[in-house]
Amino acid sequence: DAGVTQSPTHLIKTRGQQVTLRCSPKSGHDTVSWYQQALGQGPQFIFQYYEEEERQRGNFPDRFSGHQFPNYSSELNVNALLLGDSALYLCASSGGQGYNEQFFGPGTRLTVL
Amino acid sequence: GQQLNQSPQSMFIQEGEDVSMNCTSSSIFNTWLWYKQDPGEGPVLLIALYKAGELTSNGRLTAQFGITRKDSFLNISASIPSDVGIYFCAGRRASGYALNFGKGTSLLVTP
Repeated sequence: DAGVTQSPTHLIKTRGQQVTLRCSPKSGHDTVSWYQQALGQGPQFIFQYYEEEERQRGNFPDRFSGHQFPNYSSELNVNALLLGDSALYLCASSGGQGYNEQFFGPGTRLTVL
Repeated sequence: GQQLNQSPQSMFIQEGEDVSMNCTSSSIFNTWLWYKQDPGEGPVLLIALYKAGELTSNGRLTAQFGITRKDSFLNISASIPSDVGIYFCAGRRASGYALNFGKGTSLLVTP
């Protein structure tokens, strides 16, 4: 039973560029949440997708957008990258209506130069 | 989102000792979760709590959902070297889906 998978594992971009991160949920899960984790901090909620729609959004600018596909996998897109976007981006999946426990993937380490 | 207040920030203990850490918030939460994160990895779910006053164990780990719904506690008994890592508490409000995380407690265990 595969857990949550994310790709790529590492990514280096320059300021102003765009990036797309990908996530496949745990088998049987239909809800995907994205979090940003800066060094030395706890994860910060970006948004959650359910039934291919953004169901809740955290305090992040519109440069952060996402998508969920019919097979429940998801993408996180970040436009006009800033140095401060450098972080570990975590995807978490959950089952049912999203009220269950959230299981995290290994993350994508994004470095913006 | 609101960050929870997690303490202590770090702990340095000897193998075999018991560990206690806690998490507090000014807001009420419906769900409390405890995660462990190793360097370069994603957080791993340890324990989930759903009712005020609930006490739940997972092996040597025991966590409690505070009766005020504004706090939670995690205890680790008889620590071993593989307990090393960062422990995060996370809470979810009844009105939303987001998990609000603390800043973590870094645990170091010496043999």
